[in-house]
Amino acid sequence: DSGVTQTPKHLITATGQRVTLRCSPRSGDLSVYWYQQSLDQGLQFLIQYYNGEERAKGNILERFSAQQFPDLHSELNLSSLELGDSALYFCASSVDGYSYEQYFGPGTRLTVT
Amino acid sequence: ELKVEQNPLFLSMQEGKNYTIYCNYSTTSDRLYWYRQDPGKSLESLFVLLSNGAVKQEGRLMASLDTKARLSTLHITAAVHDLSATYFCAVLQGAQKLVFGQGTRLTINP
Repeated sequence: DSGVTQTPKHLITATGQRVTLRCSPRSGDLSVYWYQQSLDQGLQFLIQYYNGEERAKGNILERFSAQQFPDLHSELNLSSLELGDSALYFCASSVDGYSYEQYFGPGTRLTVT
Repeated sequence: ELKVEQNPLFLSMQEGKNYTIYCNYSTTSDRLYWYRQDPGKSLESLFVLLSNGAVKQEGRLMASLDTKARLSTLHITAAVHDLSATYFCAVLQGAQKLVFGQGTRLTINP
């Protein structure tokens, strides 16, 4: 158990809908990272927040957005969902913003039907 | 753009044998990571390699890094069934972004 929690574990929704994935980092970690794992694209970095501010952006679609709240938990919002958005979404956290060691949460499996 | 390539992508081996997974990357980086993933599960950190010539070992797994060749290896010694999993290498791009290889699915047969 890495200490990173993600909810929900599974999510099934229809195309066109909007969902929110939630992540709580390990106690004391200030940085949160979001990754998408799909059969087509493999593991891809989406976005990073550090202490409430966006720090780095990867291959994140415009339909996706994220934020980190004052209590350091983060939410990833996915809207206008398409079949291709079906994937495992991981959150990771680290103590600082420099990725020395990223600890991964259990993931949220999103299925878009 | 940083690219990370692993080979082989699939590896089936017998218990007791030795094998090596290779990870090549296209541009210089300060750090390389190895992760393990069991089916449907999260990523478990195995090794963080920071400098040229770094070698780390944990049980039957040993990882090394050659920054000049932009190559890391994950060596498995006397494989056991419990090591069956998918192994990913990842390279740090800039200060924050991890770029992952495609993963190597390792199956160890009795």
